[in-house]
Amino acid sequence: DAGVTQSPTHLIKTRGQQVTLRCSPISGHKSVSWYQQVLGQGPQFIFQYYEKEERGRGNFPDRFSARQFPNYSSELNVNALLLGDSALYLCASQTGGTIPDTQYFGPGTRLTVL
Amino acid sequence: ILNVEQSPQSLHVQEGDSTNFTCSFPSSNFYALHWYRWETAKSPEALFVMTLNGDEKKKGRISATLNTKEGYSYLYIKGSQPEDSATYLCAPRDTGNQFYFGTGTSLTVIP
Repeated sequence: DAGVTQSPTHLIKTRGQQVTLRCSPISGHKSVSWYQQVLGQGPQFIFQYYEKEERGRGNFPDRFSARQFPNYSSELNVNALLLGDSALYLCASQTGGTIPDTQYFGPGTRLTVL
Repeated sequence: ILNVEQSPQSLHVQEGDSTNFTCSFPSSNFYALHWYRWETAKSPEALFVMTLNGDEKKKGRISATLNTKEGYSYLYIKGSQPEDSATYLCAPRDTGNQFYFGTGTSLTVIP
């Protein structure tokens, strides 16, 4: 089975631009979470989606938004990019059931804002 | 927001040494505790999920324990090997299903 995939791998944008990052979960997984990882810190939770509904939101500004599609893939959108948005963006999928299940991470998208 | 602390921040050990790391977290609203191993240029890899106070998990030379009452978890590596070199992250998960990652412990095993 394919793991979690993310695209693109790397991205360079300038301040004020908008960006869309994509994630495909492991087959059978209905939940997708997004994290931002800045060098020297642990991943910070941005969003979690389950069955196309937002299940959780971290402490990020409204410039960050996400959605999940019927095939359970997901997009993370960031508007009006700031230099501080430069980070590794990780997507993780899990089955989403009620038992505490494991999250499986994708390779990440490295976003650089100039 | 959960304040998750991992110690030490980094660790250098000789091949064959055993080592352990600590993850501390507030015990309120606790649901589960996840451990991940993150090698450079790879995705974080899930090691363990633990939920119950006193839980112990083992995977090869790596094991973990959980104390939910006092809010800590230990990760142990027995007989460290160079391939164990990685950053080890813990992530408590609350009843709202949010994961809170620590900054990790960076382990370097010297051959």
